[in-house]
Amino acid sequence: AQKITQTQPGMFVQEKEAVTLDCTYDTSDPSYGLFWYKQPSSGEMIFLIYQGSYDQQNATEGRYSLNFQKARKSANLVISASQLGDSAMYFCAMREGVSFGNEKLTFGTGTRLTIIP
Amino acid sequence: SAVISQKPSRDICQRGTSLTIQCQVDSQVTMMFWYRQQPGQSLTLIATANQGSEATYESGFVIDKFPISRPNLTFSTLTVSNMSPEDSSIYLCSPTLVPSYNEQFFGPGTRLTVL
Repeated sequence: AQKITQTQPGMFVQEKEAVTLDCTYDTSDPSYGLFWYKQPSSGEMIFLIYQGSYDQQNATEGRYSLNFQKARKSANLVISASQLGDSAMYFCAMREGVSFGNEKLTFGTGTRLTIIP
Repeated sequence: SAVISQKPSRDICQRGTSLTIQCQVDSQVTMMFWYRQQPGQSLTLIATANQGSEATYESGFVIDKFPISRPNLTFSTLTVSNMSPEDSSIYLCSPTLVPSYNEQFFGPGTRLTVL
């Protein structure tokens, strides 16, 4: 079974609108972390936001927020007031466990977001 | 965050040759992770490197093909050996910074094309 599922291969959104990128995950480990990354056409991976499994509040970083629904095992990324520069691939990733040396990430297949002027 | 650099940023290589990719970080690192991203695909972990010990490889990746060195806390190399066109990918290093558990950064990547 896939550990990270991103069901939207591509999305088109009008500039200035909010956009939600879906991510569901599967783990039996009570301790885990969820990450979102942006990958523009240059290929670099830009870290956006992190949500820990024990965090009581949804994470926020500027225009990015994470809609964390633990019971549903979903961690959707919300981008408010989208901009043309938000056009990129977006990856959801999970880290299971918090032990030293176990910080590897498992990635979803990604969503290609295109912002329309 | 830290400054993470990779060299080369891109290269075009001939089949059968080898390429060594360097990853340098300007702060202390615990673990170093190397990922591969094949064209149009997601990231896949190749191996995990801890300083002073042999790297741990994921299923489907072997040391003879992807030897890794980790001579100190801020530097690591990944070699892609005996390359074939199927090795054409972006290769990214990802250090775990000290102290940090709620962030994981990546180097800028090495875009490799094998002819």
